[in-house]
Amino acid sequence: DIQMTQSPSSISVSLGDRFTITCRASQDIGNYLSWYQQKPEKSPKLMIYRATNLEDGVPSRFSGSRSGSDYSLTINSLESEDTGIYFCLQHKQYPLTFGSGTKLEIK
Amino acid sequence: EVQLVESGGGLVQPGRSLKLSCVASGFTFSNYGMNWIRQAPGKGLEWVAYISSGSSYIYYAETVKGRFTISRDNAKNTLYLQMTSLRSEDTALYYCANHQRGYWGQGVMVTVSS
Repeated sequence: DIQMTQSPSSISVSLGDRFTITCRASQDIGNYLSWYQQKPEKSPKLMIYRATNLEDGVPSRFSGSRSGSDYSLTINSLESEDTGIYFCLQHKQYPLTFGSGTKLEIK
Repeated sequence: EVQLVESGGGLVQPGRSLKLSCVASGFTFSNYGMNWIRQAPGKGLEWVAYISSGSSYIYYAETVKGRFTISRDNAKNTLYLQMTSLRSEDTALYYCANHQRGYWGQGVMVTVSS
């Protein structure tokens, strides 16, 4: 199975700051990676697909990138509505595997 | 508007069975593979099972293989998960989802407890 190691597990960030989350894949997943945001009592919301593509309706302050086996989600100029848990998902192969999640709070 | 509506959850004793359903609307259900994904209380997400659009390909997580069965009825736009020999560790919110399009239901809670 492909392991997705996500960091950090939690972070408190000031409004307007830039923030990056990273998932490291244990084997090649060839950009088959999505980023999701989950708010309390809500279903996950797709933010980024195929590592770098912004889902329709997602603010442009969100972006995805890749460096080798490291996949990153960056939020530029953090806004209060960005709080929640973010997690990555690899769908290169089954079983699908998720990162452990990053809880983002506003400082 | 895309909608996935799960049902069939509840409280069940260990060893018993339960069948979840997920009714899809707002997209051509028969064109897409679908998954069941679960989330235990306060925990992360765990993929459970996948079925291809025409039911030709089916995969299960090792934790449920031999106990759970995924199926679909494209004429009814419905995805199913038959769960047998339930264990306490199966307690979770179960989502039906197409991860590639970002389609997720609201989830249905399954609690396994005596």
